[in-house]
Amino acid sequence: GQQVMQIPQYQHVQEGEDFTTYCNSSTTLSNIQWYKQRPGGHPVFLIQLVKSGEVKKQKRLTFQFGEAKKNSSLHITATQTTDVGTYFCVVGGNKLVFGAGTILRVKS
Amino acid sequence: GAGVSQSPSNKVTEKGKDVELRCDPISGHTALYWYRQSLGQGLEFLIYFQGNSAPDKSGLPSDRFSAERTGGSVSTLTIQRTQQEDSAVYLCASSLKPGTSSTYEQYFGPGTRLTVT
Repeated sequence: GQQVMQIPQYQHVQEGEDFTTYCNSSTTLSNIQWYKQRPGGHPVFLIQLVKSGEVKKQKRLTFQFGEAKKNSSLHITATQTTDVGTYFCVVGGNKLVFGAGTILRVKS
Repeated sequence: GAGVSQSPSNKVTEKGKDVELRCDPISGHTALYWYRQSLGQGLEFLIYFQGNSAPDKSGLPSDRFSAERTGGSVSTLTIQRTQQEDSAVYLCASSLKPGTSSTYEQYFGPGTRLTVT
């Protein structure tokens, strides 16, 4: 089945620093989704990327889909304490497969 | 309802007992998923329902786990003869029907925290 590798597993940053998480697949993806899960909460959809080389922005968050549609990244500029949580990339068609997630902690 | 609901929110049970977890998806969502999330871990896919099609049960960890979806709406996940390793948060999600070239976002319920003592 389809699998995706997500790195890093964990990142602890100082408030105001940038943060990036990456997802990589060995196969070409039709699309990729990103979700955020706050501590104690449930995953919440952030965005879906479909086109090769696509870049989408949501305030301080920038999402990118690779030209070959095999990798994706989520970049947060100037992190805030409200950004803490686990960020998951998700791939697949009928059965979505979640990456292992990147846990983000922000020191204020 | 406005979102996906799950009940109970917390369940503590003794080893060997059976438990039933319920999920009410968003009205009109034909796809329904069950996941399991152990503490500090990612989401483990369990089962997927799409309309009246046969469910994808490929993620169920053992034959002690089963799920039903009645009338294309409410779903029940049943765990028989619970074991301590079954302790986790069980999340349900629903979405519009995924297509072959598009995927619809999943809306998650708050989860059921299962503790097997």
